Amino acid sequence: DAGITQSPRHKVTETGTPVTLRCHQTENHRYMYWYRQDPGHGLRLIHYSYGVKDTDKGEVSDGYSVSRSKTEDFLLTLESATSSQTSVYFCAISGVRGQETQYFGPGTRLLVL
Amino acid sequence: DQQVKQNSPSLSVQEGRISILNCDYTNSMFDYFLWYKKYPAEGPTFLISISSIKDKNEDGRFTVFLNKSAKHLSLHIVPSQPGDSAVYFCAASLNSGGSNYKLTFGKGTLLTVNP
Repeated sequence: DAGITQSPRHKVTETGTPVTLRCHQTENHRYMYWYRQDPGHGLRLIHYSYGVKDTDKGEVSDGYSVSRSKTEDFLLTLESATSSQTSVYFCAISGVRGQETQYFGPGTRLLVL
Repeated sequence: DQQVKQNSPSLSVQEGRISILNCDYTNSMFDYFLWYKKYPAEGPTFLISISSIKDKNEDGRFTVFLNKSAKHLSLHIVPSQPGDSAVYFCAASLNSGGSNYKLTFGKGTLLTVNP
């Protein structure tokens, strides 16, 4: 299994509170991704990174920002959490079997009250 | 606009029989296709993939078929086992400029294999 960890694994927060989720990899892969999974929507890309300090938006990036200051860490920040951001968040990395195959972390379950 | 579609939200099969999960796509520029399996409270796990230059790829009990003219792929699981019960996601990759590989996922199909 690819070495990907996510923290925290569960979080409950209040509307308007900033939240940061962390993804950490031990595989030294260049590409990292943040997805959210919601019922009826599958997995949707929020942001991705193709190198240190190199990031770009995905299809549902509004309300989210990311940072990657080290190869191994990719942070997802909700500047002011809203109830619509209640979701399960997955980090992924690619590079193990070729760039196309992404490997996922265990997920973070976020509840915004 | 949903570019990758899994039209069956759920599928139920008997243990030992074949499971066939289907996926359609609309973007003819997709050049790599993947299937992921997801158990509750876990991250998706890579199952099998196929390049657009092939029409079939097999790995043990799992076979993926690609029909480019129909923009359709399917995952066959033979024989199905109760441990295969999970949500299966189809994904497609578009090489958007040399080094950026992004996946577009379908909404998933819940497979239930009954003993």
